[in-house]
Amino acid sequence: QVQLVESGGGVVQPGRSLRLSCAASGFTFRSYAMHWVRQAPGKGLEWVALISDDGSIKYYADSVKGRFTISRDNSKNTVYLQMYSLRPEDRGVYYCAPGFGSGAYYTDSWGQGTLVTVSS
Amino acid sequence: NFMLTQPHSVSESPGKTVTISCTRSSGSIASNYVQWYRQRPGSAPSTVIYEDKKRPSGVPDRFSGSIDSSSNSASLTISGLKTEDEADYYCQSYDSTNHWVFGGGTKLTVL
Repeated sequence: QVQLVESGGGVVQPGRSLRLSCAASGFTFRSYAMHWVRQAPGKGLEWVALISDDGSIKYYADSVKGRFTISRDNSKNTVYLQMYSLRPEDRGVYYCAPGFGSGAYYTDSWGQGTLVTVSS
Repeated sequence: NFMLTQPHSVSESPGKTVTISCTRSSGSIASNYVQWYRQRPGSAPSTVIYEDKKRPSGVPDRFSGSIDSSSNSASLTISGLKTEDEADYYCQSYDSTNHWVFGGGTKLTVL
């Protein structure tokens, strides 16, 4: 049974940094790409970033490119999202999800998310 | 890049059938698989349809997905509506660099 546990969220001032973690279990973590998806309060889902199974390929949404960095540690079954220069519009719940399909194009597993609040 | 457009809300009575559409703005809807996710209030999303029409284990066959090239859209159909189906539903596809693209979401009310 796939389990994803996000952590690291909290309240942070604009311009500061935060690192999110997602601990995965129940599947062969090193064999799957991983995504981060976020959801602002009362809004829809927004894709944030993707990292390949071996960490060599990374993609970002334009809204976070240059400010966020996705990484992973396959020895710890954990994926990270380092967020720099946070803005109020980065506020929301952040979910991690494994990417299934040949292009990691879908998921069937979601964590419960971790809440990030950016406020002075 | 392309966008996926969904109706903001739909409503239907228990026991009836409802269909939620997801229209792709450019490029063929058939060129990339479409997924559907359900999100109940206060909960994380869950997958109800993947690869246009496949159901993950545990999702009842009341849920079905399809694509229509003539309207360049995907559809999620839920039959035999139950009050527990009340939720937000999101379609999702992806582009050539595997960026996920989400529709804006549809609020389903079962009244």
